[in-house]
Amino acid sequence: DGGITQSPKYLFRKEGQNVTLSCEQNLNHDAMYWYRQDPGQGLRLIYYSQIVNDFQKGDIAEGYSVSREKKESFPLTVTSAQKNPTAFYLCASSFYRDSEAFFGQGTRLTVV
Amino acid sequence: GENVEQHPSTLSVQEGDSAVIKCTYSDSASNYFPWYKQELGKRPQLIIDIRSNVGEKKDQRIAVTLNKTAKHFSLHITETQPEDSAVYFCAASTAGGTSYGKLTFGQGTILTVHP
Repeated sequence: DGGITQSPKYLFRKEGQNVTLSCEQNLNHDAMYWYRQDPGQGLRLIYYSQIVNDFQKGDIAEGYSVSREKKESFPLTVTSAQKNPTAFYLCASSFYRDSEAFFGQGTRLTVV
Repeated sequence: GENVEQHPSTLSVQEGDSAVIKCTYSDSASNYFPWYKQELGKRPQLIIDIRSNVGEKKDQRIAVTLNKTAKHFSLHITETQPEDSAVYFCAASTAGGTSYGKLTFGQGTILTVHP
C-alpha cells in the first residue's frame, strides 16, 4: 500500500457547505481520476485529468469541481450544488491513459 | 461517451466451480480493458487486464477474453476459492476522441464462493 493517499478517511459536512477531499500521489503518475461509489452503482467517474492544468468532466460532474495545479495533487471539491453528496469517494492515478490505475483508500463523506 | 454494462450483478458459486462475469462496452475507440477486485472495506486492485490487440489473456486461475467485433469482454475464474469472494469491476479506457483517457467502470458483480 501507499503511493496514493486520500484524506480524510471520514468527513462530515453540513448541508449548504462546500468541502474539499484531498488526493496526493508520489508515483509520478500523469493521469488522475475521481470516482464516486454508491451501493449497486459501481464506480462512477466524476472528473479526470491527463496532465497538469487540464481536466475533463466525467459522467457525474455536476456539483463537483477539481483542480490540477501540481502533478502530485488532484483535490475534489463537493459543492453545495451537489444534491446527494453522501457517498464513498475514490481517487485513482495511472502512468498514462491505458495502464493500471492505483486507488487511494477512499473518503466516506456524510452530509449531516 | 463510453458506457460499460456488467452482468450479473450478483453471482454465487460453490468452491471449486468456475465463475464468469461479462461486460459490454459502447465506444469502439476503447482499447484497454482492466478488471478490478474490491474486497470488503478495501480499495479496488487490478487483477488482470487486456488490450484490444489481444483476444485472450490468462494468469493462473484467472482469464479474460475480448471480442472487439461484439464489443464485449469476460472474466473467467476457475477453481474458485472462498477468498475469491469480493466485488469485481470491469472497465474500459478510451483511446481517442473527446473522451481521450477516460476510464469507465461497470456496475460491479458481487461474487460469493461458498465453501
